[in-house]
Amino acid sequence: GENVEQHPSTLSVQEGDSAVIKCTYSDSASNYFPWYKQELGKRPQLIIDIRSNVGEKKDQRIAVTLNKTAKHFSLHITETQPEDSAVYFCAARHSGAGSYQLTFGKGTKLSVIP
Amino acid sequence: DAGVTQSPTHLIKTRGQHVTLRCSPISGHKSVSWYQQVLGQGPQFIFQYYEKEERGRGNFPDRFSARQFPNYSSELNVNALLLGDSALYLCASSLAGGQRAYEQYFGPGTRLTVT
Repeated sequence: GENVEQHPSTLSVQEGDSAVIKCTYSDSASNYFPWYKQELGKRPQLIIDIRSNVGEKKDQRIAVTLNKTAKHFSLHITETQPEDSAVYFCAARHSGAGSYQLTFGKGTKLSVIP
Repeated sequence: DAGVTQSPTHLIKTRGQHVTLRCSPISGHKSVSWYQQVLGQGPQFIFQYYEKEERGRGNFPDRFSARQFPNYSSELNVNALLLGDSALYLCASSLAGGQRAYEQYFGPGTRLTVT
């Protein structure tokens, strides 16, 4: 089955700096890679996603890059703000018609220091 | 539009008991998936249902079962509860069609504590 590795497990940055979180996946047939933000005691919130036919996607201060050959994808947050502090999870969708199964990484706790 | 809703929000059960968790997807979403999130870990896939049929099952014992109703809501049942079943149970819904077919939106979860 699919395996998703995520690092680092914790990340501290100064407000205004950039943050990068990296994930690798094992199943070359996986074709959809979402990122979720989970604040303490709240539900995971979809913040950005990318499909395997795209190399990069950007939404304001957030961007995701995908390297299919190397089977890794990354989340980039620029101009970080204290409200970006949360746990971030990457995930990969299993291939196969009708499958919406996501395999998640173990998460990265991001702390933005004012 | 209302987001994904789940009930109850919290639940305390003792070992050996049975529990039923409920989920209502976003209006128009036809696929519901269930995940278990243990503290400090990412969500782990349990089941996916689409049009009332099971479309995927994760590596969970047969004590876990689920179903989807004609209105696309869903129930997750866990029998013979173990201490290790204590976790946040998340439901996610998807359109299952169109450009945004793969996007999954999570409910607030049910916090299950087994004592």
